Amino acid sequence: GEDVEQSLFLSVREGDSSVINCTYTDSSSTYLYWYKQEPGAGLQLLTYIFSNMDMKQDQRLTVLLNKKDKHLSLRIADTQTGDSAIYFCAESTMNRDDKIIFGKGTRLHILP
Amino acid sequence: EAQVTQNPRYLITVTGKKLTVTCSQNMNHEYMSWYRQDPGLGLRQIYYSMNVEVTDKGDVPEGYKVSRKEKRNFPLILESPSPNQTSLYFCASRLGTGEHEQYFGPGTRLTVT
Repeated sequence: GEDVEQSLFLSVREGDSSVINCTYTDSSSTYLYWYKQEPGAGLQLLTYIFSNMDMKQDQRLTVLLNKKDKHLSLRIADTQTGDSAIYFCAESTMNRDDKIIFGKGTRLHILP
Repeated sequence: EAQVTQNPRYLITVTGKKLTVTCSQNMNHEYMSWYRQDPGLGLRQIYYSMNVEVTDKGDVPEGYKVSRKEKRNFPLILESPSPNQTSLYFCASRLGTGEHEQYFGPGTRLTVT
């Protein structure tokens, strides 16, 4: 079945770049997403990329998609303490009533 | 303010005592979902609804019921809660299929003893 995998933890020094990686299995995925969950809150959509794109940049966020390898990454430039959160990779396809499949989430810890 | 609200935010109950977690959205969204979040397992979809009176099972529907009598509300019902339903529950909504922005509620932390 469909699956989305990502590492569970990442520690990064404040000011450095964070790179969170994700792999997915469904080759028919149409859209890929990054969601952010801050402590005690629900998920919030950070950005998304259509499957025919390779890259999308939005201020400090850069999303890279390698469709051949089914690999998605989120780069956060100049990581700040406010970036400390759990980041969820997700994908959807119209084949499944547009259901969104989430990864288990990567907890980003910022070191001073 | 556009939002998804859930009530209650926290609930401690005992095995077998029926409970309902309410979810309401004020954005006229057609598509609503319930998820549970568990450590190491991420988010798993329980049920979803593409429109009024249309509901479908997600990945982990056992032990849960839902209804969608009106567009704005999508309550989650646990007829006979068990300890393995202790979890953090999120309701979410989006305009419809093909829409990317999914709005999440603040979560309901349920403990079943």
